Amino acid sequence: GQQLNQSPQSMFIQEGEDVSMNCTSSSIFNTWLWYKQEPGEGPVLLIALYKAGELTSNGRLTAQFGITRKDSFLNISASIPSDVGIYFCAGQTQTGANNLFFGTGTRLTVIP
Amino acid sequence: SQTIHQWPATLVQPVGSPLSLECTVEGTSNPNLYWYRQAAGRGLQLLFYSVGIGQISSEVPQNLSASRPQDRQFILSSKKLLLSDSGFYLCSWSKGSWYGTEAFFGQGTRLTVV
Repeated sequence: GQQLNQSPQSMFIQEGEDVSMNCTSSSIFNTWLWYKQEPGEGPVLLIALYKAGELTSNGRLTAQFGITRKDSFLNISASIPSDVGIYFCAGQTQTGANNLFFGTGTRLTVIP
Repeated sequence: SQTIHQWPATLVQPVGSPLSLECTVEGTSNPNLYWYRQAAGRGLQLLFYSVGIGQISSEVPQNLSASRPQDRQFILSSKKLLLSDSGFYLCSWSKGSWYGTEAFFGQGTRLTVV
């Protein structure tokens, strides 16, 4: 399957700080998705990106679809304690039903 | 709107016992359905996916099997559980196989094999 490299693996930040994480691949994707997973819950879709260069916001979250179509970035501004969780990127190819590939996740801890 | 239900939320089973986890989707038709397993603090491992009734594709050889008896129902089973089957199991659905569709997840089932 496709390999998605997500970094950083974990982050410890102070409340109020901004957060940046990214996902890269050696393959081209047609869609990038960003999910957040809280303990004991399923991942929840945060942002979907469909076009190279696209920049999309969802509240304090902003994500970008890289121009090369091989990467994507997620930024969280002014972090708050409820931002804690694991953030996953996912890249989607066009071919077949098995076409969604996940990054290994970024574990975010926000220190009040 | 579409919803996905997965149950049970938690399960503790002895080694060698059978397993049946169920997932149903409402509000859509002919979805693609997926079963993932997630080890503690790790990423998602795709186990099975299905593009239609009775159509199951397996991604990894294992002690588990999947079935899709109805359009919006996906079942994960085992005849005899192993300790290594413990984990967090997630069901997911997406609409179609063409790009531009998002995947949505159930709440997950925490399985502990003892």
